[in-house]
Amino acid sequence: DTGVSQDPRHKITKRGQNVTFRCDPISEHNRLYWYRQTLGQGPEFLTYFQNEAQLEKSRLLSDRFSAERPKGSFSTLEIQRTEQGDSAMYLCASSFPSSHNEQFFGPGTRLTVL
Amino acid sequence: AQSVTQLDSHVSVSEGTPVLLRCNYSSSYSPSLFWYVQHPNKGLQLLLKYTSAATLVKGINGFEAEFKKSETSFHLTKPSAHMSDAAEYFCGGGGSYIPTFGRGTSLIVHP
Repeated sequence: DTGVSQDPRHKITKRGQNVTFRCDPISEHNRLYWYRQTLGQGPEFLTYFQNEAQLEKSRLLSDRFSAERPKGSFSTLEIQRTEQGDSAMYLCASSFPSSHNEQFFGPGTRLTVL
Repeated sequence: AQSVTQLDSHVSVSEGTPVLLRCNYSSSYSPSLFWYVQHPNKGLQLLLKYTSAATLVKGINGFEAEFKKSETSFHLTKPSAHMSDAAEYFCGGGGSYIPTFGRGTSLIVHP
């Protein structure tokens, strides 16, 4: 499968625990995006990378959220000290640098915080 | 800044009848608009995008959308619905910076 993959697909954690999600983009894509999607809403932009550079992170929901893409390939999204309000689907997408709009999305990681 | 509004949270049609999913945009400049579809347990898939080359944009699976500046709309249509079209549809925009999505419209197709 040469699409965007995300791991894990589901994560259940207790409030206060840290969680980390991984995204593997399509290999030729330089840009990688993270979104959050809650029930009944569209994807909400969090951050994006071009290669290893994080070009926009002001939309990360709080300082508990951080993302990395150390080698310009896969990326991780970490949420520290999880709260019940963090329960959502976390989506990753990738694209060529020429167009933000043609993003290819992964299946998402569903986070449940108990 | 650019934003979009999807006017219907749910649209219900019978198989074989036309589909209309409505989206309005607000933008202080020439917008960049798109439609994505999300089937259950699948990633979002791009249906089509508006790039200002043509106001009528054709996408995959028989969908198309017309950019109407006078109405600030970018509605998605399909002449004949198929059962496999049942999914969540997202209108969005955001040319070179932060992409924004609408809240989604759930398309229900009855046999």
